[in-house]
Amino acid sequence: SQTIHQWPATLVQPVGSPLSLECTVEGTSNPNLYWYRQAAGRGLQLLFYSVGIGQISSEVPQNLSASRPQDRQFILSSKKLLLSDSGFYLCAAGRGGFEQFFGPGTRLTVL
Amino acid sequence: AQSVSQHNHHVILSEAASLELGCNYSYGGTVNLFWYVQYPGQHLQLLLKYFSGDPLVKGIKGFEAEFIKSKFSFNLRKPSVQWSDTAEYFCAVTSTGGFKTIFGAGTRLFVKA
Repeated sequence: SQTIHQWPATLVQPVGSPLSLECTVEGTSNPNLYWYRQAAGRGLQLLFYSVGIGQISSEVPQNLSASRPQDRQFILSSKKLLLSDSGFYLCAAGRGGFEQFFGPGTRLTVL
Repeated sequence: AQSVSQHNHHVILSEAASLELGCNYSYGGTVNLFWYVQYPGQHLQLLLKYFSGDPLVKGIKGFEAEFIKSKFSFNLRKPSVQWSDTAEYFCAVTSTGGFKTIFGAGTRLFVKA
């Protein structure tokens, strides 16, 4: 079965600082990878998805970017964090229209 | 655009009560349907799924869901809830063969012991 690792688990960053959240996947190869932001009462908002190394699709214009340097590694970044970037970020892996497997998430607080 | 609507944001039930959580989606093509659950302090995980065939699907822990194509609905049910069912439940839709999954806003269920 697939295991999704995310780190760090929590992060407190000042406004204007850079961000790098990492996600790695075990137990599968060539997965589709996803970054979501989860906000209370608003479900999961898809931020980025990737169908292969170096292939990134952005769903929402924002201050964030994503990269996939390796098959099972997915990184969420920002050059300068905004207060509005605070939230709970989830990484997921899946195939086609099938179910996704989720990581434990990263709680980001921007002060 | 695809969308998923969950009818109730918060539900409070007593143990042994029956549960039905509503989910409607908006999409014109063939879809795969999911219910995910997030127990307190745990990862989001799959509860059940529908791809094709029998529109009544059974999942883990006694949950089931019925796909009604004409109503674009995929409601989640459980005949008798337990305290351990306290969690947040998300309905989700993916176009068949597609890459993107659209999630509903979630329903927080609290079961009183």
